[in-house]
Amino acid sequence: KQEVTQIPAALSVPEGENLVLNCSFTDSAIYNLQWFRQDPGKGLTSLLLIQSSQREQTSGRLNASLDKSSGRSTLYIAASQPGDSATYLCAVLTGANNLFFGTGTRLTVIP
Amino acid sequence: ETGVTQSPTHLIKTRGQQVTLRCSSQSGHNTVSWYQQALGQGPQFIFQYYREEENGRGNFPPRFSGLQFPNYSSELNVNALELDDSALYLCASSPSGGANFVTQYFGPGTRLTVL
Repeated sequence: KQEVTQIPAALSVPEGENLVLNCSFTDSAIYNLQWFRQDPGKGLTSLLLIQSSQREQTSGRLNASLDKSSGRSTLYIAASQPGDSATYLCAVLTGANNLFFGTGTRLTVIP
Repeated sequence: ETGVTQSPTHLIKTRGQQVTLRCSSQSGHNTVSWYQQALGQGPQFIFQYYREEENGRGNFPPRFSGLQFPNYSSELNVNALELDDSALYLCASSPSGGANFVTQYFGPGTRLTVL
């Protein structure tokens, strides 16, 4: 059964710092991997989607990489801002139309 | 804003009751998925509907059921509510079905509390 783990569970950084969030998954038979952002009590906003054949995707200050063979992905956030404070979730899509989510990393950017 | 709406925003029910949650997808999105997110956890896949037919199901009992309508709206029904059903319920729509669909667009969720 697919299991998705995110480390660290929580992270607090000063504004302007670059940071990396980690995601690992146990079954490399995935179709794609997505990173989402969730603000408290809200739904999910898709940040980046990486197809299984791709190695990375970039959007603005965000860069996500995927190493399918080792079951790892990272989300790099450059020059962090207080508005980046949220929970970041990674999810992998498997063959049963099923998105498996990690438990998230709660990020706090201190002004 | 994703264009996906859910109602109600919050709901309180008692154990044993039945509940219906509603979702309105983006126009043209023929796939809708439902997720349950317990406090402090990641969302868990309940099921997916594609063109009004169930198209995949997670590890949830039959008392969780759904419907999808031609007007891009859908419902999640839960019978015989249990305390552990308390969670944020999220729906997500996508413009295509099948395993390789692109980004899912999530609604804001319905917070269900079972007492």
